[in-house]
Amino acid sequence: EVQLLESGGGLVQPGGSLRVSCAASGFTFSTYAMAWVRQSPGKGLEWVSSISGGGGSTYYADSVKGRFTISRDNAENTLYLEMNSLRAEDTAVYYCAKDQPGYDNSSFLIDDWGQGTLVTVSS
Amino acid sequence: DIQMTQSPSTLSASVGARVTITCRASQSISRWLAWYQQKPGKAPKLLIYRASSLESGVPSRFSGSGSGTEFILTISSLQPDDFATYYCQQYDNSPTFGQGTTVEIK
Repeated sequence: EVQLLESGGGLVQPGGSLRVSCAASGFTFSTYAMAWVRQSPGKGLEWVSSISGGGGSTYYADSVKGRFTISRDNAENTLYLEMNSLRAEDTAVYYCAKDQPGYDNSSFLIDDWGQGTLVTVSS
Repeated sequence: DIQMTQSPSTLSASVGARVTITCRASQSISRWLAWYQQKPGKAPKLLIYRASSLESGVPSRFSGSGSGTEFILTISSLQPDDFATYYCQQYDNSPTFGQGTTVEIK
């Protein structure tokens, strides 16, 4: 059974930084592309970033490009999202999501989701 | 970016009703479209991919159709467990979601 467990969310001031993590199990992590998708309170879904299975290809939404960095540790089966220069509009539940098999690229089709971690950007 | 527009935004229906939700893309995405179901406080769940392929374990009352720029999600006979919000998502390139359609009890 696929399990994706996010951690690291919390309250951060505008302009601050935060790193969220996702511990994955139940599948061969290194062979799957992964993604982060966020959902602002009461709002819809927004794709944030994706990374290939091998980690060599990364993709970002324009709204976070240059501020967020996605990475992965395949030895530890863990996905990360480093968030810098945070803004109030980054407040959201951040979901870790499993993509399709892809060592070198991402298909952007998500078939499993974690339960999410809440990031609140406020002074 | 490709814009995805769903209609209606909210839908009221009774148990047993046939329900259709439309999703339109701002440019052709071939059949690179997925549908998700989300219940309050829960993560989304994949229902349909490649416009019409049913994800494993999803009831057959759910079906998808369309290609290019217009897509439809159909629930053939609405069940109590189906009251939720539904999102379409294009994955032709940098992925984008529709704004969601909430299916409410009539």
